[in-house]
Amino acid sequence: DAKTTQPPSMDCAEGRAANLPCNHSTISGNEYVYWYRQIHSQGPQYIIHGLKNNETNEMASLIITEDRKSSTLILPHATLRDTAVYYCIVRVAIGSGNTPLVFGKGTRLSVIA
Amino acid sequence: DSGVTQTPKHLITATGQRVTLRCSPRSGDLSVYWYQQSLDQGLQFLIHYYNGEERAKGNILERFSAQQFPDLHSELNLSSLELGDSALYFCASSSRTGAGNTIYFGEGSWLTVV
Repeated sequence: DAKTTQPPSMDCAEGRAANLPCNHSTISGNEYVYWYRQIHSQGPQYIIHGLKNNETNEMASLIITEDRKSSTLILPHATLRDTAVYYCIVRVAIGSGNTPLVFGKGTRLSVIA
Repeated sequence: DSGVTQTPKHLITATGQRVTLRCSPRSGDLSVYWYQQSLDQGLQFLIHYYNGEERAKGNILERFSAQQFPDLHSELNLSSLELGDSALYFCASSSRTGAGNTIYFGEGSWLTVV
C-alpha cells in the first residue's frame, strides 16, 4: 500500500509555480521521498528525490519538512507540457537492498493556459 | 530516453494464448522491475529481480512469470491470457550502487487481449 497522501487533482496557471504537497507521516529514517510523473500513458518519469535536505535539479525543487512528515514538489514555471499525474513515493533505497516503488493514485496536475 | 528498452511496443493476442515481453535495462543496471498498469488499477508492482535472482513479488498472478538472464535482460511471460490482462506493462531498472538510487522506466508494452 502507498504510504503517502496526495490531493487527487490540482490546477496551475501556465508560467506560475506549481506546488504539489505530499504527506508521509509514517516515513522511516531510511526511506527516501521520490517524485515521479506520468504524462498520459508514457512511462513514469523520474523527477527528483531526497532524504532530509531540500533538493533542486533542472526540473524541480523538493522541500522536505524538518520532521520529514511531509514534502512539497515545486515546478517553478509550469508549462502545458507539465500536465501529468505526479506521484510522491517513499522508498528504502540502499545498495542491493533496494525496494520497488509503490505507486498510489498521485495528483493529476492540469496546467492551464 | 530513459535507456530502458521494451519490446514489443504493441501486442494483440487472443484469450488463452501466451506472450513474452522483453526488457533491456540501462547499461550496468542490475535491478529490473516489472509493473502493470490497467485502466482501473493504476500502476501495480509485479516483480523485482536483482542480478538474476528474484528479490520481491508484488501482485503477480500465478499465470505470469519472469526471469532475468545473465546478460541482465529480463522477460515477463504471460500465459492463459484473459481479457482482464489487457494493460500497459512497464519495465524499470536501477543500479546497485549508491544510496537513494533512481529507478528508470521504459515506455511500456501495450498488451491487448481479444
